[in-house]
Amino acid sequence: KNQVEQSPQSLIILERKNCTLQCNYTVSPFSNLRWYKQDTGRGPVSLTIMTFSENTKSNGRYTATLDADTKQSSLHITASQLSDSASYICVVKPGSQGNLIFGKGTKLSVKP
Amino acid sequence: DTGVSQDPRHKITKRGQNVTFRCDPISEHNRLYWYRQTLGQGPEFLTYFQNEAQLEKSRLLSDRFSAERPKGSFSTLEIQRTEQGDSAMYLCASSLARYDSSYNEQFFGPGTRLTVL
Repeated sequence: KNQVEQSPQSLIILERKNCTLQCNYTVSPFSNLRWYKQDTGRGPVSLTIMTFSENTKSNGRYTATLDADTKQSSLHITASQLSDSASYICVVKPGSQGNLIFGKGTKLSVKP
Repeated sequence: DTGVSQDPRHKITKRGQNVTFRCDPISEHNRLYWYRQTLGQGPEFLTYFQNEAQLEKSRLLSDRFSAERPKGSFSTLEIQRTEQGDSAMYLCASSLARYDSSYNEQFFGPGTRLTVL
């Protein structure tokens, strides 16, 4: 069964600290992996998209990694800001025709 | 604003009533998707259109749900005889599907939050 699992479920960190969110997937065939940021009550916004040949991709203070062999991805947030408080959702696209498979997200709270 | 828009943003209705939501995608995007998201969960796929054709429907889309995209631009999602279990955020997304790209990035709207009393 195609699944995307994220950990931790929630995380609280202090402002300016770094953090890493994890994503494991059991999706085959694999097309690409995406990380989205979703503010409370809003739609998800794309942070990064990676295919199997891309190991790392950065978007400002966000850096995503992908290990297609172990089917793991991580999202590293550097020097966190209060505005980073949101849910971060890992999404995998299976094959070329499959629909996106969403994880449940990690709820990040950045405290002053 | 050239992003995906959804209307209304919030809808409160009584059980048994019908509701209709509208989604306006990014101009020239040929694909439009509907998702449902409940609290603490990731979005779940409901259906998608390529232009005006509805190409796939999830088993989550019961007979009480119907979606249309009559002119290949905006789309509507109607829920008939609403139930309390229909309470959720309904998200719309659009993308420009290209044969030469595997990305097919989806851009999401702000969602319509439905509460069924």
